[in-house]
Amino acid sequence: AQSVAQPEDQVNVAEGNPLTVKCTYSVSGNPYLFWYVQYPNRGLQFLLKYITGDNLVKGSYGFEAEFNKSQTSFHLKKPSALVSDSALYFCAVSYTGGGNKLTFGTGTQLKVEL
Amino acid sequence: EAGVTQFPSHSVIEKGQTVTLRCDPISGHDNLYWYRRVMGKEIKFLLHFVKESKQDESGMPNNRFLAERTGGTYSTLKVQPAELEDSGVYFCASSPIYLIRINEQFFGPGTRLTVL
Repeated sequence: AQSVAQPEDQVNVAEGNPLTVKCTYSVSGNPYLFWYVQYPNRGLQFLLKYITGDNLVKGSYGFEAEFNKSQTSFHLKKPSALVSDSALYFCAVSYTGGGNKLTFGTGTQLKVEL
Repeated sequence: EAGVTQFPSHSVIEKGQTVTLRCDPISGHDNLYWYRRVMGKEIKFLLHFVKESKQDESGMPNNRFLAERTGGTYSTLKVQPAELEDSGVYFCASSPIYLIRINEQFFGPGTRLTVL
């Protein structure tokens, strides 16, 4: 079975400060990891993915994530937060031999304030 | 290129009624997925079509839910009769066949279903 944990329901950060949204996972095979973002009244938008290769993945809107196999983590980061980054962020995982579905975390609400 | 579209965007029905949700995938995408997010919880997989065939329906909660994809294009998800616990946001996603191994999926805006 596969699972994803996003331990923080909400993260608050001041604009211009770095942000981190945490994600840990559990799978039986090699993981494929994703971050999606949902803005108010919008659908899920793809941010970035880790499939293989370099552990540091860069994605849309200046976001990046680091795959850490030993800690089974895939935390989302951005060096300097913007108010417009305020949204709901979902981490998701699938894995080799795990079927063709994504398993999501419960989501983390990011609030960036002036 | 048009994205995944879903209709309606919001539906409010009473317990016991029937509702049909529609999803139009990105043109040419053979894979179509349905997911659901119940208030405050994780987004959960419901089922997966490859063209018109159900590949995996292990996430369907019970037999009140019926998904179809006639002709391998758009899909419908019918809930009959609806119960209060069916309330949530229903997401549809699609992907081309060559991305199936890594499960990269493109999501629609979702349908918010409220059962009163």
